[in-house]
Amino acid sequence: NAGVTQTPKFQVLKTGQSMTLQCAQDMNHNSMYWYRQDPGMGLRLIYYSASEGTTDKGEVPNGYNVSRLNKREFSLRLESAAPSQTSVYFCASSEEEEDSWTGLYGYTFGSGTRLTVV
Amino acid sequence: QKEVEQNSGPLSVPEGAIASLNCTYSDRGSQSFFWYRQYSGKSPELIMSIYSNGDKEDGRFTAQLNKASQYVSLLIRDSQPSDSATYLCAVRALSSASKIIFGSGTRLSIRP
Repeated sequence: NAGVTQTPKFQVLKTGQSMTLQCAQDMNHNSMYWYRQDPGMGLRLIYYSASEGTTDKGEVPNGYNVSRLNKREFSLRLESAAPSQTSVYFCASSEEEEDSWTGLYGYTFGSGTRLTVV
Repeated sequence: QKEVEQNSGPLSVPEGAIASLNCTYSDRGSQSFFWYRQYSGKSPELIMSIYSNGDKEDGRFTAQLNKASQYVSLLIRDSQPSDSATYLCAVRALSSASKIIFGSGTRLSIRP
């Protein structure tokens, strides 16, 4: 059981380049999330998707776009990378449906993408 | 004030002792509380969840919740070197548009 799979694991970009981080889960989870983790800042929510076809902004959405391609896949796109986007990016999923959230479940995280923008 | 606060540590505990990790939160509407363990260079892993005031035990782990004091803690009994990691406290309010909010974590080191 793969759980949540993220690709790539590492990436170096030049300022202004674009790229897409891929995330797929095989647990039939409804909700998916993208977080970034920076030293001393903890995990901060970038975007989330409550269900297939819906996406919403989190705490730090500027400079990012997302696509919920189907129930399994949720991608994060950096259109014009900036050094401030250097971070570790985690995708997560939850059995919960955000619109009828009960709080009984936490998140399952992918292994992360370490992104450096130079 | 951060919404979820943790002492960053490091917290150093001798092997076999009890490690006590603490977390406070600001939103009184918070309903669900989680503890994640994160090894260096790895992703967070859910180890405990608690929703009601009091204690919840799972093996060597005990989560404690006091909603009146807006305080949640994690106790690790018989600490092992493999428990050395960063522990993230996470909180969710029903009204939260930001979903689960994470603290910045406490780094725990178990010394042999």
